Amino acid sequence: QSALTQPPSASGSPGQSVTISCTGTSSDIGAYKFVSWCQHHPGKAPKLMIYEVNKRPSGVPDRFSGSKSGNTASLTVSGLQAEDEADYYCSSYIGGNNYVFGTGTKLTVL
Amino acid sequence: QVQLVQSGAEVKTPGASVKVSCKTSGYTFTSYYIHWVRQAPGQGLEWMGIINPSDGDTSYTQKFQGRLTVTSDTSTSTVYMDLSSLRSEDTAVYYCTLAGFDYWGQGTLVNVSS
Repeated sequence: QSALTQPPSASGSPGQSVTISCTGTSSDIGAYKFVSWCQHHPGKAPKLMIYEVNKRPSGVPDRFSGSKSGNTASLTVSGLQAEDEADYYCSSYIGGNNYVFGTGTKLTVL
Repeated sequence: QVQLVQSGAEVKTPGASVKVSCKTSGYTFTSYYIHWVRQAPGQGLEWMGIINPSDGDTSYTQKFQGRLTVTSDTSTSTVYMDLSSLRSEDTAVYYCTLAGFDYWGQGTLVNVSS
């Protein structure tokens, strides 16, 4: 199982919106609703931001939203803030109790 | 509150094995699967495997088949990740994480060096 494909980098100015894509196949993202997004600041444990495509855990700002179309999932961060600068990883269930992560996207707040 | 506390950093020589523990608390241990995920230096997150603590059933990504063993101890609410035949490419921070990736351990650095 290959990693899901994400752009290596994304950027935006404070207050702007940015969307990060996560492309898989009909065997992973296209097949299941179990797509998650994690935020990872270097040296810290990852933090779940979105689960089941578009659900936010308690405490995650509503500036973060998720969606899916076909084999591609997306994370949108609206009203960018300096603390949003981090690495973002998508993940998808692929069946048989197996999962796969995306290649990761470094989000820079300009 | 839910907590996953991992064992400390390890230094291993190539060919050796490492066993990392993940002690959980704050929830019913047998109710949720636990994943193991790693991040090598300069690389992304990599999903390694999963265990159902209620029955010990495991699933591993093909890359680690034969080298990875994940076990659980219901008496101590602890999950263990055992990786054998270590090579330099296994140098990474290893994380345990609960079911939906909503709770994570603090990470354990495993350094494989001769």
